Amino acid sequence: DAGITQSPRYKITETGRQVTLMCHQTWSHSYMFWYRQDLGHGLRLIYYSAAADITDKGEVPDGYVVSRSKTENFPLTLESATRSQTSVYFCASSRSSGGGNEQFFGPGTRLTVL
Amino acid sequence: TQLLEQSPQFLSIQEGENLTVYCNSSSVFSSLQWYRQEPGEGPVLLVTVVTGGEVKKLKRLTFQFGDARKDSSLHITAAQTGDTGLYLCAGDRENQGGKLIFGQGTELSVKP
Repeated sequence: DAGITQSPRYKITETGRQVTLMCHQTWSHSYMFWYRQDLGHGLRLIYYSAAADITDKGEVPDGYVVSRSKTENFPLTLESATRSQTSVYFCASSRSSGGGNEQFFGPGTRLTVL
Repeated sequence: TQLLEQSPQFLSIQEGENLTVYCNSSSVFSSLQWYRQEPGEGPVLLVTVVTGGEVKKLKRLTFQFGDARKDSSLHITAAQTGDTGLYLCAGDRENQGGKLIFGQGTELSVKP
């Protein structure tokens, strides 16, 4: 089925380990985004991508790395996980930018860093 | 500091009551969106408002964009238990490449 998927849905890891969260969309949307959601902060943008091989930092990029070699995939890597990165992570995509374009969100990945 | 301030952050009401959620900023937005999120799922778009003073209705939900495009409100008439969820406003500023700024969210609980 078409849509946006994230994997894994749940992940427990330890401080200092590398973790990669996967995001895949089937709409061929140009724009993709990674957010983290924490109580009291709503959604905060980590990184976004306007097209394959084009990525840029969002509001809270420190400690995260992204890549986008293919339009449909946008993995997020925590190079050395810290407890402050415990959060729910959402991937989103949109057809284009500006003009109130709808963002379509995946189901989220709940990450716990011990 | 939050660029988009939502209030209230928590709201618990009885079925049939009316409620209003506010989204305020000192910044001007090209457009403002309202999303609804249920537990264990990602947010889903309810509406987009783009013109200052614009009012949009979605069944019992009324959305308004402020004249100066700095604020928005969501009004629910005769709330139902199915309205329970997290409501998020998100603004799109000019020349920001389509990046959205989200408010903290309003957790609404409608009791039978």
